Amino acid sequence: GNSVTQMEGPVTLSEEAFLTINCTYTATGYPSLFWYVQYPGEGLQLLLKATKADDKGSNKGFEATYRKETTSFHLEKGSVQVSDSAVYFCALPNNNDMRFGAGTRLTVKP
Amino acid sequence: DAGITQSPRHKVTETGTPVTLRCHQTENHRYMYWYRQDPGHGLRLIHYSYGVKDTDKGEVSDGYSVSRSKTEDFLLTLESATSSQTSVYFCAITPDLVSPLHFGNGTRLTVT
Repeated sequence: GNSVTQMEGPVTLSEEAFLTINCTYTATGYPSLFWYVQYPGEGLQLLLKATKADDKGSNKGFEATYRKETTSFHLEKGSVQVSDSAVYFCALPNNNDMRFGAGTRLTVKP
Repeated sequence: DAGITQSPRHKVTETGTPVTLRCHQTENHRYMYWYRQDPGHGLRLIHYSYGVKDTDKGEVSDGYSVSRSKTEDFLLTLESATSSQTSVYFCAITPDLVSPLHFGNGTRLTVT
């Protein structure tokens, strides 16, 4: 079935640093790809998505590009803030459910 | 916010006791899911439902059962809780298989 492999971290950055969290996928066809974010004490929430190859999803300054050549969907942000501290999950559909990466914990220090 | 509520939010129980977690939605979404979240494992699917009385197993279904007698409620039951079932449990819903999931805020279960 479809699956994702995600850089696990944890990742610690200073405020305004550049962020990359790597995600690669294995899939039949070209499913939509997702990034979810989980803030402390909460459930996951959708951060961004891309529905086809070369699509760029973006939200709250985060971006990810669906690259079929490298089967990747890396998450990037040019300047992180303390409020971005959270756990980030890459995900894609698999038959009747969603498959998630192991999650990457990001801590941003002032 | 998608209307999805999990109850209870926290529960402590003893090994061998039955436990039922409830997920309630007000969105009339067809698909409902139960995941568990453990350090180093991300989210793993326990069971899911694709309609009333239609359910199927996920990758970690042993020791769990589910029921969905109406669209809005999806119950997860641990028939005889074990310490390995200590985890945070998340319910999620979606109207179809191409839309993103909307998650509840989770239930933290501790089995002593």
